[in-house]
Amino acid sequence: QKEVEQDPGPLSVPEGAIVSLNCTYSNSAFQYFMWYRQYSRKGPELLMYTYSSGNKEDGRFTAQVDKSSKYISLFIRDSQPSDSATYLCASNSGGFKTIFGAGTRLFVKA
Amino acid sequence: NAGVTQTPKFQVLKTGQSMTLQCAQDMNHEYMSWYRQDPGMGLRLIHYSVGAGITDQGEVPNGYNVSRSTTEDFPLRLLSAAPSQTSVYFCAISTSQGEREAFFGQGTRLTVV
Repeated sequence: QKEVEQDPGPLSVPEGAIVSLNCTYSNSAFQYFMWYRQYSRKGPELLMYTYSSGNKEDGRFTAQVDKSSKYISLFIRDSQPSDSATYLCASNSGGFKTIFGAGTRLFVKA
Repeated sequence: NAGVTQTPKFQVLKTGQSMTLQCAQDMNHEYMSWYRQDPGMGLRLIHYSVGAGITDQGEVPNGYNVSRSTTEDFPLRLLSAAPSQTSVYFCAISTSQGEREAFFGQGTRLTVV
């Protein structure tokens, strides 16, 4: 079992929709949770990060962590075609052992 | 301010050949890492460094070698390329405690035939 599991998709939504991207993890020691966005043939870009449980909001993006269920979520409001990319979740217990999910491909149709 | 620069962008090697993937950063970060990305596998850590002269192994270090003589550069060497090393390689710089990768390079696409 991978330490961080992510549905590969693809997920296809119309422009303006609310997108929900999810991951599960198995390591109870994980304290740091990240979301990266990766456009085709580019390097990952850090989108959001949280420490421990709770929500964090940045513009149209909200990251949510539920440590009791080991569930990580990213919500995108008012999705745009420019949001079409692969989204990677990642977790870390602190110190150079970041574990990445395999990524979910998202397509936002105009 | 270029951030993290990787060269080359593309490379084709024959089995058994060796090569060095270059990574340079101009952000004065102490902590740097190398990852490989394969379909369905996500990013996997190969080696990382917490500063000049200090390196350590990650999840998939076999067949790779690293050294860190300066803060700016962190090259990755393939000693004897194998088809299983066909992948996209990313260099990253991490935050001060290593709790997340802050910036990635644009990647090197390597094919071993």
